[in-house]
Order: sequence, then C-alpha cells, then structure tokens
Amino acid sequence: DGGITQSPKYLFRKEGQNVTLSCEQNLNHDAMYWYRQDPGQGLRLIYYSQIVNDFQKGDIAEGYSVSREKKESFPLTVTSAQKNPTAFYLCASSILSGADEQFFGPGTRLTVL
Amino acid sequence: DAKTTQPTSMDCAEGRAANLPCNHSTISGNEYVYWYRQIHSQGPQYIIHGLKNNETNEMASLIITEDRKSSTLILPHATLRDTAVYYCIVRAPGSARQLTFGSGTQLTVLP
Repeated sequence: DGGITQSPKYLFRKEGQNVTLSCEQNLNHDAMYWYRQDPGQGLRLIYYSQIVNDFQKGDIAEGYSVSREKKESFPLTVTSAQKNPTAFYLCASSILSGADEQFFGPGTRLTVL
Repeated sequence: DAKTTQPTSMDCAEGRAANLPCNHSTISGNEYVYWYRQIHSQGPQYIIHGLKNNETNEMASLIITEDRKSSTLILPHATLRDTAVYYCIVRAPGSARQLTFGSGTQLTVLP
C-alpha cells in the first residue's frame, strides 16, 4: 500500500541532544513537508522541499535542519538550538500539480527531558 | 489564503448525517476549499476538496454555495470513528505551500 511512514512514534531525548526524525513516502510525490503541532494548536510549517536536493524554510525553521537526498525520504533533525522541541511532528507529501492535497504520516511525538 | 470560520464544536448521533459548515467569504476565484480531519494523536487525513462544483467521494460530500462564500462537509452516516477535529482550509493550488490549519470543528459522534 502506498503511504507515508514516520518513525519512531514516540521519542524521548535529553536536553542538548540532537535527534533525527524519519519520514519516508512511496507515493512518488515531489513535495514533502514537516509541520510541528503543539497541544490544542494548529500545524506550523518547519521546512518543505519541492525537489531532491532542494528545500525551503517554513515559518519556524530555527533550530531544525533537513535533507532531501532521495525523493522518498525527508528526515528532520531537531538540534540543541531548538529552544522548546517537545511537540508532535508531522510529515506530509503532495504532488505539485492540480489541487495538490497533502497526505500526512502518523506523526512522531518528541519529548525532551 | 482566505480566512475560514467554523463552529468550535458539534455533536451528531451515530448513523445520522453530520453537516459541518465553513464560512470563507473572502475566497478568491482560484482558491480551492479543502477539508481535512485529525483524530486525536494522529496525523491529519485528507477528506475532499472542491473549487465550485459539489463533490462526492467515498468519505464525504462537499457542497459549495453558488457565491463560493461558504461550504458544508457532509458525512452521510456518521460513525463513532468519525469523531475528530475537522478543518476547512482555503488555498490556491499549484506550488508547494503550507496548509494553514485554523482551530477547526470538534465533531463528536454520540452512540
């Protein structure tokens, strides 16, 4: 079945450690996105990528980094520079034509202790 | 992207139709109406989208008024698994851009 996978579902890290969240899609979508969601809030865009080896900052990119070496993969690294990293992280993908609806993964809940 | 207004919460009896309204009075001619839902602690799920014609798929129907200033998402036979926050989003397609999720409508399907 085609879809988006994120791993792990739950992640715990100590303060000051970098952590990388995985996102893989087999939908052959060109665009991929990372969002952050805090309790009771909407989604905020961290980074997005329209093509391999290219990505753009979203509204809250500070303290995060990404790479897009393969079309299927868009990992997100939460660095120690991110002041408040505890949140629910969502990856999405879409085509770049038509109504380009976004399809989301199940999310990773990161808790920094 | 045009702003949307939705009720904060709604209840619906299981097996009945759930009608979720959305106002988008400032919508532009090239902007689509999208609906997503998010079940607690899961990723948002795409439901349906439309430009100006009514649309139907296996999940729901979307009714857009003739002036396009409002729309209604219809879940024809709501089940307990349809309990979720439903988001109405208006945006123009064609490039990789973020979805702006407002506060949405918390739909609770009651047994």
